[in-house]
Amino acid sequence: DQQVKQNSPSLSVQEGRISILNCDYTNSMFDYFLWYKKYPAEGPTFLISISSIKDKNEDGRFTVFLNKSAKHLSLHIVPSQPGDSAVYFCAATDYGGATNKLIFGTGTLLAVQP
Amino acid sequence: DAGITQSPRHKVTETGTPVTLRCHQTENHRYMYWYRQDPGHGLRLIHYSYGVKDTDKGEVSDGYSVSRSKTEDFLLTLESATSSQTSVYFCAISAGQGRYEQYFGPGTRLTVT
Repeated sequence: DQQVKQNSPSLSVQEGRISILNCDYTNSMFDYFLWYKKYPAEGPTFLISISSIKDKNEDGRFTVFLNKSAKHLSLHIVPSQPGDSAVYFCAATDYGGATNKLIFGTGTLLAVQP
Repeated sequence: DAGITQSPRHKVTETGTPVTLRCHQTENHRYMYWYRQDPGHGLRLIHYSYGVKDTDKGEVSDGYSVSRSKTEDFLLTLESATSSQTSVYFCAISAGQGRYEQYFGPGTRLTVT
């Protein structure tokens, strides 16, 4: 049972436009969410996170939106750049866990066309 | 960048042989994790550690064991490698104490023939 779902395996966007990557979750206990970026032959790198007490968190060109009632979060990249081309994973956890475990989605491959 | 190294970075082995992958950190973080990444499955947790000699299973632990005798080292062992264990393996660390971000090593590409 996939608790964190990224239903779009891939996304193609023109340079300078907005990229929107989506993520859905099923476990209502999740209350902290993260996005990771992964280039080929490298480990994932942490990008941005959001707590369930917020509905938006912004860091430069990256903004994450959380809709708790819909159990949905999205990552917006504006403007998109060719260097943003990578696989993006969303992940979730619950504050009550003592193990700091994350549950990851299956990833979305973003291709930003020059 | 977090100080995490993995060794070896690439390995080819035969079915039935034991294999040990090493993760080493210089951050003194409490939590360490082993994941595997496969197409269509994202990152799946194999085992994790919440302190020296304290380990537990993740969602895909069958066929794997781990050990952590020092804070800085977390070993993943495939007792008898199978072709289904061909994958890319990532180690991650986390500070805990209210910090939930995990930081990943560069990965080990393992091929079992």
